[in-house]
Amino acid sequence: SQQGEEDPQALSIQEGENATMNCSYKTSINNLQWYRQNSGRGLVHLILIRSNEREKHSGRLRVTLDTSKKSSSLLITASRAADTASYFCATDHNTDKLIFGTGTRLQVFP
Amino acid sequence: DAGITQSPRHKVTETGTPVTLRCHQTENHRYMYWYRQDPGHGLRLIHYSYGVKDTDKGEVSDGYSVSRSKTEDFLLTLESATSSQTSVYFCAISDPSYEQYFGPGTRLTVT
Repeated sequence: SQQGEEDPQALSIQEGENATMNCSYKTSINNLQWYRQNSGRGLVHLILIRSNEREKHSGRLRVTLDTSKKSSSLLITASRAADTASYFCATDHNTDKLIFGTGTRLQVFP
Repeated sequence: DAGITQSPRHKVTETGTPVTLRCHQTENHRYMYWYRQDPGHGLRLIHYSYGVKDTDKGEVSDGYSVSRSKTEDFLLTLESATSSQTSVYFCAISDPSYEQYFGPGTRLTVT
C-alpha cells in the first residue's frame, strides 16, 4: 500500500495566487521529497526535506514537515501558468526505495 | 536532464508476447528503478537494482523480471505480456542522497 497521500487531488487557481498541497504518510521516514510531473513527461525532483528539518525553501517553493503529524505541505507562491503540472510526494523509509503518493493535479489559469 | 534514456518510447504488442524495455544512464549511479504509472495509482515500484547483478522486488513485481549486467543498463522484461500491463513505465536513477532522476517514460500498450 502507498504511504504518501496527497490532498487535494486537484487544485485550480489563478496566476499570482499561492498553491498549497498536503501529503500525509503512515510510518516514520528518513526524508520526504516532492516531485513535479508535466503532462507526458517524467518526474522532476523539486525538493528534499529530512526528518530532522521542519521547513525548507527553494525559490518560490516552501516545504514544511511535521513528523508528529506525519504530514508535509508544499507551498508554491505567486503561481504561474507554467506551474501547471501534477505534484507528488515521496517518502523514504531508509529502505533504498521511495513510496510515491497518487499526486495533486494543479491547474494555474492565466 | 540527468543522462537517462529509455527505449523504446512507445510500443504496441500483443497479449502473450515477450517485451523488453531498456533504461540507460550515463551518470554512473548505483541505484536504478523501474516504476509503472497508472491513473489513480501514482507511481508503483516494480523492481529496483542497487548494483550490477543486484536486484530486488518492488510493490508490483509479478509478471516482470529485470537484469542489470552493466552499471549503465537496467532491463525490464515482461515474459508474457497481458492487457493489465498496459501502462507508462518510468526508469529512475538515484544518487547517494536518494533524490531520484527519471527518464522520459515508455508507453506500452498490450492488445
